[in-house]
Amino acid sequence: DSGVTQTPKHLITATGQRVTLRCSPRSGDLSVYWYQQSLDQGLQFLIQYYNGEERAKGNILERFSAQQFPDLHSELNLSSLELGDSALYFCASSAREGTDTQYFGPGTRLTVL
Amino acid sequence: AQKVTQAQTEISVVEKEDVTLDCVYETRDTTYYLFWYKQPPSGELVFLIRRNSFDEQNEISGRYSWNFQKSTSSFNFTITASQVVDSAVYFCALSEATQGGSEKLVFGKGTKLTVNP
Repeated sequence: DSGVTQTPKHLITATGQRVTLRCSPRSGDLSVYWYQQSLDQGLQFLIQYYNGEERAKGNILERFSAQQFPDLHSELNLSSLELGDSALYFCASSAREGTDTQYFGPGTRLTVL
Repeated sequence: AQKVTQAQTEISVVEKEDVTLDCVYETRDTTYYLFWYKQPPSGELVFLIRRNSFDEQNEISGRYSWNFQKSTSSFNFTITASQVVDSAVYFCALSEATQGGSEKLVFGKGTKLTVNP
């Protein structure tokens, strides 16, 4: 158990809908990262927050957004969902920014029908 | 941009065999970190090791060992006396600095290891 929690574990929804994925980092970690794992793209970095501030953006679609709250939990919002958004979404956390080890949560499997 | 190549898509071995998973990386950074993660069938990503680019010493942890060679830009992972529980997808990753001064991980495509009894 990495100490990073993600809810829900599974999510099934329809095209055009909006969903919110939630992540709680390890106790004391200030940095949260979101990654998407799909069969065709592999594991890709989406976005990072540090202590409530956005720090880095990767291949994140404009339909997707995220935030980190004062209690350090983070939410990833996915809207106008398409079939191609079906994937495993991971949250990771690290103590600080920089090259600290990122510990991953169990992931949320999103299926868009 | 950084790149990680895991040329072996799938490997199948019989229990107790040794197996080496290859990882080759590309980076222009002089300071970087390399990682290995394990993804068992249950789906979570489990951290195995982090290695600093300045530390080329090989590392051993139980049945796991890692060979880092800067000259060939490789960071290979060996499992000795493999067990069925080692069956998983293994990912090699490289840290990449972002514009915000942070780091993100660039992952290889992964190697699926199947250990048969």
